[in-house]
Amino acid sequence: EAGVAQSPRYKIIEKRQSVAFWCNPISGHATLYWYQQILGQGPKLLIQFQNNGVVDDSQLPKDRFSAERLKGVDSTLKIQPAKLEDSAVYLCASSQWAQGTWETQYFGPGTRLLVL
Amino acid sequence: AQSVAQPEDQVNVAEGNPLTVKCTYSVSGNPYLFWYVQYPNRGLQFLLKYITGDNLVKGSYGFEAEFNKSQTSFHLKKPSALVSDSALYFCAVRDGAAGNKLTFGGGTRVLVKP
Repeated sequence: EAGVAQSPRYKIIEKRQSVAFWCNPISGHATLYWYQQILGQGPKLLIQFQNNGVVDDSQLPKDRFSAERLKGVDSTLKIQPAKLEDSAVYLCASSQWAQGTWETQYFGPGTRLLVL
Repeated sequence: AQSVAQPEDQVNVAEGNPLTVKCTYSVSGNPYLFWYVQYPNRGLQFLLKYITGDNLVKGSYGFEAEFNKSQTSFHLKKPSALVSDSALYFCAVRDGAAGNKLTFGGGTRVLVKP
């Protein structure tokens, strides 16, 4: 079974530029998550989708971050404009929704973003 | 609010010796607990989870974890560490009454010396 796919793996941009990350979850997984992992910290949830609807985006900085999952499969996370503090690894994860509960989250390799 | 604490930034152990990585948690409902491992330039890899049932949970690569409700702990253990176990380990908790939001600890770096 293929895992969670993410691209690009690395991105370097200058502050105030925009950037987009792409994620394709494990086939059949209805739930998709985006996490931000700053160096030396644990991952922090940015947004959770159930199919193409948002379940939780309480920690997403909505003035500059946006995410979509239009067809309920792959997803795009965008940052516009980027700030220096956005330098981090952006992890995508997915899980099944089965018998009224969410199953284990499985993570992709991440996109490492450096903002100069 | 739910939270996780990993009190040790780094654990050093000799190959072949037992390995323990500590984790304590705080949730208002029933805890769902997870351990993940992260190798350099890789995503998080699932090791094991506790949902309910037996307090001793067995996972991948010979790892196990013991759930202790009274001490609100979920320590990760391996009887005999390998050099290849050197990595960053994360404990995470999900409040069973509050959706599927995972809250992660800060991570513990494990260094296994030959």
